[in-house]
Amino acid sequence: KNEVEQSPQNLTAQEGEFITINCSYSVGISALHWLQQHPGGGIVSLFMLSSGKKKHGRLIATINIQEKHSSLHITASHPRDSAVYICAVRGSSGDKLTFGTGTRLAVRP
Amino acid sequence: NAGVTQTPKFQVLKTGQSMTLQCAQDMNHNSMYWYRQDPGMGLRLIYYSASEGTTDKGEVPNGYNVSRLNKREFSLRLESAAPSQTSVYFCASHGGSSGRREQYFGPGTRLTVT
Repeated sequence: KNEVEQSPQNLTAQEGEFITINCSYSVGISALHWLQQHPGGGIVSLFMLSSGKKKHGRLIATINIQEKHSSLHITASHPRDSAVYICAVRGSSGDKLTFGTGTRLAVRP
Repeated sequence: NAGVTQTPKFQVLKTGQSMTLQCAQDMNHNSMYWYRQDPGMGLRLIYYSASEGTTDKGEVPNGYNVSRLNKREFSLRLESAAPSQTSVYFCASHGGSSGRREQYFGPGTRLTVT
């Protein structure tokens, strides 16, 4: 079993829909990252969380440390949100990230 | 700020050839990383450097060597390339300071070994 599991693996939505991507992990962590990878291949860090909730624009990320679970929400989705979203956890030592395999999101106009 | 830069962007090698992937960051970060990304798999850590002068193996270090030349630069060397090393390689750095974005990635190097 992978240390970081994401669901769903693939997601198709209509423009304007509310989207949720889930991440579960099985190890102790010091932080959790949400990353975005566009079709061109570049990877951008969206959020770093160690507790609670963070919001930036239409993106919201939450984490429940006790349940070892995080969610990434996109409100009012847009075709430009189409990308692969990757969850990664930073171990308790703080040095290294372990990555999920990503959720491929396609938002149709 | 250029962030994290990598060269080259694309490379084709024949089996047995060697090459070095270059990475540099201008954010004064202590930690730097090399990852590979293969279809259907998450990013996997090859090597990392927690600070200048130190390097450690990650999950998939076999066939690679690294050098942390100074705080800015962290290079990855393939001594004798194999087809199994065909992948996309990403360099990253980590600053450890608070803020919305903390892990910074280079644009990637697409390597094909024939």
